[in-house]
Amino acid sequence: AQRVTQPEKLLSVFKGAPVELKCNYSYSGSPELFWYVQYSRQRLQLLLRHISRESIKGFTADLNKGETSFHLKKPFAQEEDSAMYYCALRRQAGTALIFGKGTTLSVSS
Amino acid sequence: DAMVIQNPRYQVTQFGKPVTLSCSQTLNHNVMYWYQQKSSQAPKLLFHYYDKDFNNEADTPDNFQSRRPNTSFCFLDIRSPGLGDAAMYLCATSRAPTSGGYEQYFGPGTRLTVT
Repeated sequence: AQRVTQPEKLLSVFKGAPVELKCNYSYSGSPELFWYVQYSRQRLQLLLRHISRESIKGFTADLNKGETSFHLKKPFAQEEDSAMYYCALRRQAGTALIFGKGTTLSVSS
Repeated sequence: DAMVIQNPRYQVTQFGKPVTLSCSQTLNHNVMYWYQQKSSQAPKLLFHYYDKDFNNEADTPDNFQSRRPNTSFCFLDIRSPGLGDAAMYLCATSRAPTSGGYEQYFGPGTRLTVT
């Protein structure tokens, strides 16, 4: 079965601390993975995709096929990073996404 | 700005009274999706349209229907809402997957309350 697991419901860190939001997936084949973010009172939006191997707002995520993980990392958290983060897997043979339950990141000063 | 619009943002309906949620897009995307998101849960895909082709998820209840009269608009109809249907309903769009740069664009959501 195709599945996305985000084990942490809430992650609280201090400003300037490193952040790692965990995501594990279950998929047979070549997965396509994404991180979506929802800031307070804003719509869900794409943060980054593994195919692009990009860094957005200081966040990076590396696909580790051996560990079936796609953890989101940032070396120095900022207060404006506080949001809900969803890991998502593009379903095989189609356009649909399978989302994890999300992790709330809270960055305090 | 090109975007995905959902109306209304908040909808209150009575148990068993049909309700329709609306989504429109100015992105000219081929694909439109409807998700249901309950509190503290992942967005769950109900169905999607790829152009005019309707794709229902296997576990979507028959109570949920959808219409896409043209490229820009897509509707979610709940024929007989139950208390368990109270949720946030998200509309999203994307280009055809072969176009590259695959990304789903989300609307702000409609929060449905069933009384």
